[in-house]
Order: sequence, then structure tokens, then C-alpha cells
Amino acid sequence: GAGVSQSPSNKVTEKGKDVELRCDPISGHTALYWYRQRLGQGLEFLIYFQGNSAPDKSGLPSDRFSAERTGESVSTLTIQRTQQEDSAVYLCASSYRTGSANYGYTFGSGTRLTVV
Amino acid sequence: GDSVTQMEGPVTLSEEAFLTINCTYTATGYPSLFWYVQYPGEGLQLLLKATKADDKGSNKGFEATYRKETTSFHLEKGSVQVSDSAVYFCALGSGNTGKLIFGQGTTLQVKP
Repeated sequence: GAGVSQSPSNKVTEKGKDVELRCDPISGHTALYWYRQRLGQGLEFLIYFQGNSAPDKSGLPSDRFSAERTGESVSTLTIQRTQQEDSAVYLCASSYRTGSANYGYTFGSGTRLTVV
Repeated sequence: GDSVTQMEGPVTLSEEAFLTINCTYTATGYPSLFWYVQYPGEGLQLLLKATKADDKGSNKGFEATYRKETTSFHLEKGSVQVSDSAVYFCALGSGNTGKLIFGQGTTLQVKP
């Protein structure tokens, strides 16, 4: 597609429920990243995928968070048993390849998650 | 580990004023440096970048020079407009990992 597409754009969920966020990267982009942005704060790295390599999960805040990616296409970020501190905007980005930080990323518009 | 530090905001300026947003970094190796902008209600957009020391990135009247000796990448614009009101993020790119490490963001408010 023309850009990075994320869905849903907004999600309100009850504490304790599971949620699934979707990211559709730019076609041809082999690297995909998830970041979290809490209100008024910077971007917090969560996880990235590069092709068929094992993902770098070093940023995931707890075992309630997990992510999958099918080949070099869609990725889903799952948060189990949501807590109020999970409320944030979850941003997805893609780039041509890992190590291509020289090129920067293209970000999606994000999913705003509110846990009530 | 690698890190980025930005000046705290909000920065409030009158239209046509000169803008500087400070950014310094700590990194091993030779990272690339970026400024991203987030307009109200929108996603992050790449504003400009520099990939090696002494490079100057520029876009939409904004400039930033990669200063290795001072480990800085300050954002400047000679004459801001109301439409420049946004949150600006400085970021460091690791060539090895591909990760971007972001500063906390600086909110710019430009008043007419």
C-alpha cells in the first residue's frame, strides 16, 4: 500500500480484556517495528521484525505483550489482560531492512488504546 | 546504552521568531540522526535527517547539523509559522540494530 496502515484507529476496552492491534506495512518493507507512546511522553520501543529472523522482543514491558508477523506482511500486537497503564498510542513503522536506520522509518497513524 | 536528550517544552514563540530546539545524544559507533514531527491529530513524519558528521539535514525551512564533537543535532528555523505548531522528536538510528531511539519530544506552540 501507499503507507503503513494500522487498525483500529481507536480502541476502548475494559480492564482485564485482551486486545489485538493490527499493522499492515508498506509493500516491500522487510523490517517492521512497534512503539508505544504514552500521553505526553516519547516513543518507547517494543519489538521489531526483520524478514524471517527471530524478532527483537527486548522492549516488550511484560509477558502480557506479544507480537507476530506473517512473512514480510501484516503484524499483530496482542495485549492480554489489559491494565490501565497499557493506555497509550501504539505506533507501527516499517522500513526497507534492519540496519537501514539511515533511511528512517515510515510510521502509521497509530492505534489509540484506552483501558477503562 | 544509546540515548537522546531534548530540551523540555513547551516552547512558545511568536510568528516569524527564530527557533532552536536542542538535542544531544549518546551513542556508540556512528549513528544516523533524525528529526520527526507530529502535527496535532496526525502520525509521526520524518522531517529531516543526517547520516554522518558535519552533514546538514534540511526540509521546509528547518535545518539541523550533525555535530560529532558536541554530540548534538539541534533543530533550527529562521522564521516560524503558526502551522509549525507540533511536537518535534529527535531520534538516533543504530546502523547495527535498525532501531530508532527517540527523545522525549518538544512541543512547539507558535502564536500569531
